[in-house]
Amino acid sequence: AQSVTQPDIHITVSEGASLELRCNYSYGATPYLFWYVQSPGQGLQLLLKYFSGDTLVQGIKGFEAEFKRSQSSFNLRKPSVHWSDAAEYFCAVARGSGGYQKVTFGTGTKLQVIP
Amino acid sequence: EPEVTQTPSHQVTQMGQEVILRCVPISNHLYFYWYRQILGQKVEFLVSFYNNEISEKSEIFDDQFSVERPDGSNFTLKIRSTKLEDSAMYFCASSERTSGSNEQFFGPGTRLTVL
Repeated sequence: AQSVTQPDIHITVSEGASLELRCNYSYGATPYLFWYVQSPGQGLQLLLKYFSGDTLVQGIKGFEAEFKRSQSSFNLRKPSVHWSDAAEYFCAVARGSGGYQKVTFGTGTKLQVIP
Repeated sequence: EPEVTQTPSHQVTQMGQEVILRCVPISNHLYFYWYRQILGQKVEFLVSFYNNEISEKSEIFDDQFSVERPDGSNFTLKIRSTKLEDSAMYFCASSERTSGSNEQFFGPGTRLTVL
């Protein structure tokens, strides 16, 4: 069965500092990988996704993520964090192709940004 | 830009009552999903629906739950007799039938509070 591990429950960074959120997945075939962001009381917004091709994917709001098959990782990065980036971030993996997919989410990492 | 919509945004009900959560998926999408997020926990898959039948359901989706696409636009989740532990945010999602990515688009969620 597919699974996602986000080892960091809570991360605090200073505004302007770089950010890396870790994500490891378990899936038997080529995964479809996602990062979502959720502000308090809000829905899920897709930051970026990986399906195939270039292993470094660019997303919205200046985020990027790198797929490393050898490490089963899909870490999210941002070179300079803004106060508005404070939110909860979910890594997710989907199985299936050409139609139905079931998305499995990680437990999330809460990002706090300090001045 | 087309989006998934959900109503109501917040539903309060008494334990044992029936609730229906409504979703309007993106118009050309054919796959529909419900997910649940209990406060402070991760997003969990409940059920997927395609061609007027359930494709897959999780162990959470017991006999108290049902889904329906009553017309060409709505997709509903019914909980027959709500329990306190059904209190959660419920997200609807949809995806189109294409090869490759099949990204799921999530709605803003309905917060269900069972008293």
